[in-house]
Amino acid sequence: AQTVTQSQPEMSVQEAETVTLSCTYDTSESDYYLFWYKQPPSRQMILVIRQEAYKQQNATENRFSVNFQKAAKSFSLKISDSQLGDAAMYFCARVVSNYQLIWGAGTKLIIKP
Amino acid sequence: EAGVAQSPRYKIIEKRQSVAFWCNPISGHATLYWYQQILGQGPKLLIQFQNNGVVDDSQLPKDRFSAERLKGVDSTLKIQPAKLEDSAVYLCASSLTPGGPQYFGPGTRLLVL
Repeated sequence: AQTVTQSQPEMSVQEAETVTLSCTYDTSESDYYLFWYKQPPSRQMILVIRQEAYKQQNATENRFSVNFQKAAKSFSLKISDSQLGDAAMYFCARVVSNYQLIWGAGTKLIIKP
Repeated sequence: EAGVAQSPRYKIIEKRQSVAFWCNPISGHATLYWYQQILGQGPKLLIQFQNNGVVDDSQLPKDRFSAERLKGVDSTLKIQPAKLEDSAVYLCASSLTPGGPQYFGPGTRLLVL
């Protein structure tokens, strides 16, 4: 089965601290793309970061970085120096063989001022 | 570079009425997606176009939903007749290539009364 699992329905973090959102997935493929998307209350889906499975180096975009563990099929998102504007739903997604995205259920991130 | 454009942003209709949504993808993006997102859930793919051809419409309720992408650029999604359960956000996304990062528009919030 092609699934993406986000086990944390909701997470909260103090402003300026670091938080990690977890994502695991199931696949028998060796090469694929993984993404983290952010969806604020405006409901627009924004691409945060992407990881190509054949690359061993973890992707980084400013305060956002991933911990990609291919053997464990784990793809967690770390947000450093959390800001109020980071409050949103975060979705993990994986490209499958027909080039479509399989989505996780999402994690709601709350930033405490 | 202009992002994905969608209109209208909000629409309220009564059940059994019809409604249409419009999407203009990022220039040069050959792949276009329509998603339905119900509150609290991840996006559900309705239809995927490659240029002006349909790649996948297996989850499109064809008895009431239709979509087209004439000339391989703009796309319209229509619902006729609408049901209460169609209340959702309709997201349009585009990607340069199949399986590449998808970039989303602001979405259209539909409320069916």
